Amino acid sequence: RKEVEQDPGPFNVPEGATVAFNCTYSNSASQSFFWYRQDCRKEPKLLMSVYSSGNEDGRFTAQLNRASQYISLLIRDSKLSDSATYLCVVKTRNDMRFGAGTRLTVKP
Amino acid sequence: GAVVSQHPSRVICKSGTSVKIECRSLDFQATTMFWYRQFPKQSLMLMATSNEGSKATYEQGVEKDKFLINHASLTLSTLTVTSAHPEDSSFYICSARDWGISYEQYFGPGTRLTVT
Repeated sequence: RKEVEQDPGPFNVPEGATVAFNCTYSNSASQSFFWYRQDCRKEPKLLMSVYSSGNEDGRFTAQLNRASQYISLLIRDSKLSDSATYLCVVKTRNDMRFGAGTRLTVKP
Repeated sequence: GAVVSQHPSRVICKSGTSVKIECRSLDFQATTMFWYRQFPKQSLMLMATSNEGSKATYEQGVEKDKFLINHASLTLSTLTVTSAHPEDSSFYICSARDWGISYEQYFGPGTRLTVT
C-alpha cells in the first residue's frame, strides 16, 4: 500500500466549477499535512497547509481527518490558472512523502 | 522567501558518463537537503536525505554507489549520477530544510536529465 494515495484523475472541469480532491495516508505518526501544486515540468510549490480544524485560503479549503487519515482539498469557482497537478504531502518528523498527484484541467 | 537553486536546469549526456547536479540554498542554512526523482506522470520519490558533514541516508532501492551525494557545506549539496543510463533520465529535484524559525522545506527548480 502506498504511503500517500490520491485519485490520479484527470479532473476536467469548466471554469467556475467546484472540484474536490481526496487523499489518504497510512502512517499514523504523520505530523504535518500539505497540499502542493505542481505545474508541468516545474517544481512543486506549497499551496497550503492542512489543519484538523480545517482552513481556508480564498477559493481553497483544506480539511484533515486524523482519525480516518484523510485529507481533502476543495477548489471553488475554479479558474483556468488552477490547471495543474495537486500533490497531497504528508510530513513525518524526518521527511515528506508525496502522493502521486491529481491532475486538474479547467476548461473555458 | 527562501530560495533554493539547482544547476544545471537541463542536461543531456551520453550513456556511461557521469553528471553532477548542484543544489544551493541561497539565503538560509540548510543542515538537511533532500533529493527526489520524478518520472513522467508519477509522484516525487525521495531518493536520499543528506545532512551536512555526514553520509547521506538512501531510500530502499536507491543505489548509493550510483547516486553519489555530497553535502559539504550548509548551503550546497551535490548529486552525481555515475555511469548514467537511459533509464536514469528523469526530473531530479532537491529540497532544503530551513532549521530556522520557519522549519519549512523549499524546493529547487529541478534538473531534467536526459541520457542518450
